[in-house]
Amino acid sequence: SYVLSQPPSVSVAPGQTARISCGGSDIGSKSVHWYQQKPGQAPVLVVYDDSDRPSGIPERFSGSNSGNTATLTISRVEAGDEGDYYCQVWDSSSEHQVFGGGTKLTVL
Amino acid sequence: EVQLVDSGGGLVNPGGSLRLSCAASGFTFSRYSMNWVRQAPGKGLEWVSFISSGGSYTYYADSVKGRFTISRDNAKNSLYLQMSSLRADDTAVYYCARGGKTIFGSEDYWGQGTLVTVSS
Repeated sequence: SYVLSQPPSVSVAPGQTARISCGGSDIGSKSVHWYQQKPGQAPVLVVYDDSDRPSGIPERFSGSNSGNTATLTISRVEAGDEGDYYCQVWDSSSEHQVFGGGTKLTVL
Repeated sequence: EVQLVDSGGGLVNPGGSLRLSCAASGFTFSRYSMNWVRQAPGKGLEWVSFISSGGSYTYYADSVKGRFTISRDNAKNSLYLQMSSLRADDTAVYYCARGGKTIFGSEDYWGQGTLVTVSS
């Protein structure tokens, strides 16, 4: 089955740029989506289809996808960006949705 | 305003059954695919099942295939998950989520979740 690999944690100072990676075999050929989840809350979609933003999501959130790695980039990080971030793809060969293991973003 | 309200969770014995419901409002339910996603305590997100807008296509995670059944009633704007042969590792918060702008994934609205605890 298809596996997505994320770093367990990323730390960044306020105002700096956070980059969260999502690794998978030839992930560049798939459409990648990203979610933010804060403690006790449901996930929120922050980037879909590699790099598009849903309405209401700040421009500070952006995504890219190429080769074996997709990346969520959060510019000018704020304290409110703390939480867990998950990448997601649809694996057509298994007809399964797959989530990465999640990355905890800490704002120092 | 789009709303998804999950219900039906609770404590159930191993081997037992439970039916989860998700009541949708604020959008044309019959036009959207739907999913169930779960999260075990302290763990990450795990996709459980997908159903197409008309209900003709369904997909399941390997961990629940043959035990869980997803269904929908577009006339009642409702999504369901019938769970049977429950095991301790099915313990999780279960979320219903609306399919987004892509055919699969990119769920753009989520319910608040309902907790299922499988224990004797």
